[in-house]
Amino acid sequence: AQSVTQPDARVTVSEGASLQLRCKYSYFGTPYLFWYVQYPRQGLQLLLKYYPGDPVVQGVNGFEAEFSKSNSSFHLRKASVHWSDWAVYFCAVKGNMGYKLTFGTGTSLLVDP
Amino acid sequence: EAAVTQSPRSKVAVTGGKVTLSCHQTNNHDYMYWYRQDTGHGLRLIHYSYVADSTEKGDIPDGYKASRPSQENFSLILELASLSQTAVYFCASIDRESAETLYFGSGTRLTVL
Repeated sequence: AQSVTQPDARVTVSEGASLQLRCKYSYFGTPYLFWYVQYPRQGLQLLLKYYPGDPVVQGVNGFEAEFSKSNSSFHLRKASVHWSDWAVYFCAVKGNMGYKLTFGTGTSLLVDP
Repeated sequence: EAAVTQSPRSKVAVTGGKVTLSCHQTNNHDYMYWYRQDTGHGLRLIHYSYVADSTEKGDIPDGYKASRPSQENFSLILELASLSQTAVYFCASIDRESAETLYFGSGTRLTVL
């Protein structure tokens, strides 16, 4: 069965500082990986996605993520956080032949002004 | 732009009552999903559907039914609402050919008293 672990329920960073949100996945086969963002009282929006290929993928608003098969990880990064990045971030996995996304528990990002 | 609309935005129900949550998509997508969101659990899949008039059980189907009367509409039904079903419910759709991005509605906040 596929699963995702986001070990940090909450992360606080200062505006302008760099950011890394951690994601570990479990999937037997070729995983497709996603990061979604949820702003207050909204649905989830796609931030970026990974399909087999270049391990570093670029997303919107300066976000990027790096896939590591050896570590079963797909960590999200941003060089300089903005106050508007205050949101909940979800990592998700699906198989290349499936249509079912499995989500992690989410990481709440708080930005200190 | 892809659009998924949920109704109602919020609802208060009594224990033992029947609740129907509705979802309408204009994406012409084949696949539709119902997730529930709880603090500490992230998003968990309740039911999904690949085609009209057919539904499949997700990871936590107990206490829920689903109905897909047309490609555009997908309902979640709580025949006997319980306190434990208080949560935020999200509908989503995905294109069969690309099987890439899940498009989410804005959610329905359900409170069972």
